[in-house]
Amino acid sequence: EVQLVESGGGLVQPGRSLKLSCAASGFTFSNYYMAWVRQAPKKGLEWVATISTSGSRTYYPDSVKGRFTISRDNAKSSLYLQMNSLKSEDTATYYCARLRSTIAAVWYFDFWGPGTMVTVSS
Amino acid sequence: DIVLTQSPATLSVTPGESVSLSCRASQGISTSIHWYQQKSNESPRLLIKYASQSISGIPSRFSGSGSGTDFTLSINRVESEDFSVYYCQQSYSLPYTFGAGTKLELK
Repeated sequence: EVQLVESGGGLVQPGRSLKLSCAASGFTFSNYYMAWVRQAPKKGLEWVATISTSGSRTYYPDSVKGRFTISRDNAKSSLYLQMNSLKSEDTATYYCARLRSTIAAVWYFDFWGPGTMVTVSS
Repeated sequence: DIVLTQSPATLSVTPGESVSLSCRASQGISTSIHWYQQKSNESPRLLIKYASQSISGIPSRFSGSGSGTDFTLSINRVESEDFSVYYCQQSYSLPYTFGAGTKLELK
């Protein structure tokens, strides 16, 4: 059974940093692209970052580029999100998600973790 | 960025009714659209991939259609467990974007 479990969320002051982790199990982690998606309270979903199987390629939207860094440790089946220079608008539940593609490089999120809440406030 | 517009924002129905949820893209995206269901206080669940392809374990009453800019998620004879929020998502180009969601509620 595929399982993704996020951790590391909490309350952090604006301008500070936080690192999220996602422990994966039930599948061969190193074979899959992975991603982070967030959801602000009572709002919709926003894609945050994607990483390739080896970690050599990463992708971000402009809203977090230069502040957030996605990484992975295939030996530990773990995904990470380093978040720097946090802003109040980064307040959200952060989901770890597995990416899948069965049609040339057109990806979808096939499994999601339960999420971890990040609150940016002074 | 590709904008996805979902309509209606809220749909009030009684169990047993059949419904259609719309997702319109700001430019043509072929069939690079996927649908997710999010129940209250839960993480999203994949329902349909590539506009119309079914997902293992998802009830057959859920189906998708469309290509280009207009897409539809259909639920044949809504059941009580279906009351939740539905999102469409495009992966035609980066950044991946989601629609704002359609809330399916009990009338």
